[in-house]
Amino acid sequence: DAMVIQNPRYQVTQFGKPVTLSCSQTLNHNVMYWYQQKSSQAPKLLFHYYDKDFNNEADTPDNFQSRRPNTSFCFLDIRSPGLGDAAMYLCATSRTGDGLNGYTFGSGTRLTVV
Amino acid sequence: GQQLNQSPQSMFIQEGEDVSMNCTSSSIFNTWLWYKQDPGEGPVLLIALYKAGELTSNGRLTAQFGITRKDSFLNISASIPSDVGIYFCAGMNYGGSQGNLIFGKGTKLSVKP
Repeated sequence: DAMVIQNPRYQVTQFGKPVTLSCSQTLNHNVMYWYQQKSSQAPKLLFHYYDKDFNNEADTPDNFQSRRPNTSFCFLDIRSPGLGDAAMYLCATSRTGDGLNGYTFGSGTRLTVV
Repeated sequence: GQQLNQSPQSMFIQEGEDVSMNCTSSSIFNTWLWYKQDPGEGPVLLIALYKAGELTSNGRLTAQFGITRKDSFLNISASIPSDVGIYFCAGMNYGGSQGNLIFGKGTKLSVKP
């Protein structure tokens, strides 16, 4: 089945140690998003790629970066994770002009910072 | 910016009861979406609404897009234990570079067998 796959499902990293989360999709959607979701809160958009164009949300910390080497893959890099960055990170995809199906989310990566 | 008010924040109901939750916005959307999120998983789309006044069903779920385009509700009939989870409404104005999906804060549903 076409889907959005996030790896790993659980990631433990040390305070200040760079970490990369990955997302891949088989839907051939041209837009990919990264959301941060803290416990008991709604997902919060960090940034998205519209094709190759990167769109950063105004309040996304510089500590968070992203790469999209091709249509299928997108990475979230946290350069120096702090304790406050512990959260579920959700990747989502959509197709331009096709809001009909909303966004498709991956299962998320739960990040723990120790 | 746009904000969504989702209520109630949590619900504790008996199996078999009907459930209703709603979202209101300070501004209009051209799409309303309802997602369910199970613990440790990503949100899964339940129902999408694209037209003011639209009423759409998906099994035991029914959702409506408010006439003013500033609100939506979700009803679940005859709840079962697997309905447990967090339900999020989301509003979107898609087009162009693809609009941001604005989420409500969620309704946590607990079902007692």
